[in-house]
Amino acid sequence: GQQLNQSPQSMFIQEGEDVSMNCTSSSIFNTWLWYKQEPGEGPVLLIALYKAGELTSNGRLTAQFGITRKDSFLNISASIPSDVGIYFCAGTYNTDKLIFGTGTRLQVFP
Amino acid sequence: EPEVTQTPSHQVTQMGQEVILRCVPISNHLYFYWYRQILGQKVEFLVSFYNNEISEKSEIFDDQFSVERPDGSNFTLKIRSTKLEDSAMYFCASSEARPDRAEAFFGQGTRLTVV
Repeated sequence: GQQLNQSPQSMFIQEGEDVSMNCTSSSIFNTWLWYKQEPGEGPVLLIALYKAGELTSNGRLTAQFGITRKDSFLNISASIPSDVGIYFCAGTYNTDKLIFGTGTRLQVFP
Repeated sequence: EPEVTQTPSHQVTQMGQEVILRCVPISNHLYFYWYRQILGQKVEFLVSFYNNEISEKSEIFDDQFSVERPDGSNFTLKIRSTKLEDSAMYFCASSEARPDRAEAFFGQGTRLTVV
């Protein structure tokens, strides 16, 4: 079945640094989404991408839908302690279900 | 801001018992979903529900599971004869349209522990 691989698995960075993470698949998607999950909470939508090549920002977050439709990346600029959490990419292709990635755990040190 | 609400937040049940997890989706949404997340793992799709019927389900969603929209606001997941491996966080989600056209919003989850 379809799988989404995220890298890196985890990141330990200092406050103020920029962060980059990506998500790749062996099959194409027509929608990519990025969610953040904090402990004991549900995933919270950060950015949604609906078109190949699309670059979208939400505050300090920027995400892009890869031209091949098989990848996406998320950048966080000037990280702050509240950015801590697990970041999941998710994709869908002509279906009702979201396929979630394996997650990138972000830890920010002051 | 409208949100998806789930109850209870935590449910402990004995193996073999039936549980019902409840969700109130966002009021103008038409698509409803259940996902689960085993501790430390990724979020997995269980089932989608549209127009009062299941529109898609995963291999996980076998005869042990059922969903229902008993009235205009609630959306429930029933798990019959629970097993230890059913222990997980269960998330309800809803969207205005299919996920490739509209954003899916998730609830806070119900932590199910089967003992």
